[in-house]
Amino acid sequence: DIQMTQSPSSLSASVGDGVTITCRASQSISSYLNWYQQKPGIAPKLLIYAASNLQSGVPSRFSGSGSGTDFTLTINCLQPEDFATYYCQQSYSTPPTFGGGTKVEI
Amino acid sequence: QLQLQESGLGLVKPSETLSLTCTVSGGSISSVGCYWGWIRHPPGKGLEWIGSIYYSGTAYYNPSLKSRVTISVDTSKNQFSLKLTSVTAADTAVYYCARHMGSHYGRMALWGQGTLVTASS
Repeated sequence: DIQMTQSPSSLSASVGDGVTITCRASQSISSYLNWYQQKPGIAPKLLIYAASNLQSGVPSRFSGSGSGTDFTLTINCLQPEDFATYYCQQSYSTPPTFGGGTKVEI
Repeated sequence: QLQLQESGLGLVKPSETLSLTCTVSGGSISSVGCYWGWIRHPPGKGLEWIGSIYYSGTAYYNPSLKSRVTISVDTSKNQFSLKLTSVTAADTAVYYCARHMGSHYGRMALWGQGTLVTASS
């Protein structure tokens, strides 16, 4: 299985800040990397697919980049509703695997 | 608007079988290119993919769970189901159904709300 490692596991930020979350794959996954946001008690929501494509309806302050083994999710100008846990997921090979999550806290 | 809804018992005794069903509404489970999956989220841990199925009945499983998992589809009811045998406390989790795009391990843009299953006597 491909291992996905996220860093940091948590971070503190304020409304209006910019934050960057990184995700590293244990082997090259080309651009088959997706990012999800999850809030307590709610199902994950797809934000970014194929490393850099914004899912329909997702605000443009979210962006993704990277290829191969190293990827980043950037949130510009944090809004109150962005405080959540973020997960990366590889869809390069089966089984699909997730990173351990990054909790963005106030 | 396509929606997914999980249903099933929320409490399962250790060694027994967990059974969940996901009902697809607002669209057809037989849509070409869509795969229907199960993912779980144990408390305090990360997300784990259990497996997925195509409307034709071809199922794919996570090797870590393959010996205990069966996923099936009923196109007449627009539903797919999960059975997990010999459960232990480690199977306690929120279970989600979701739609994969493009492949059985593709991105998941549509999820059910999730259902908590507790394995306890």
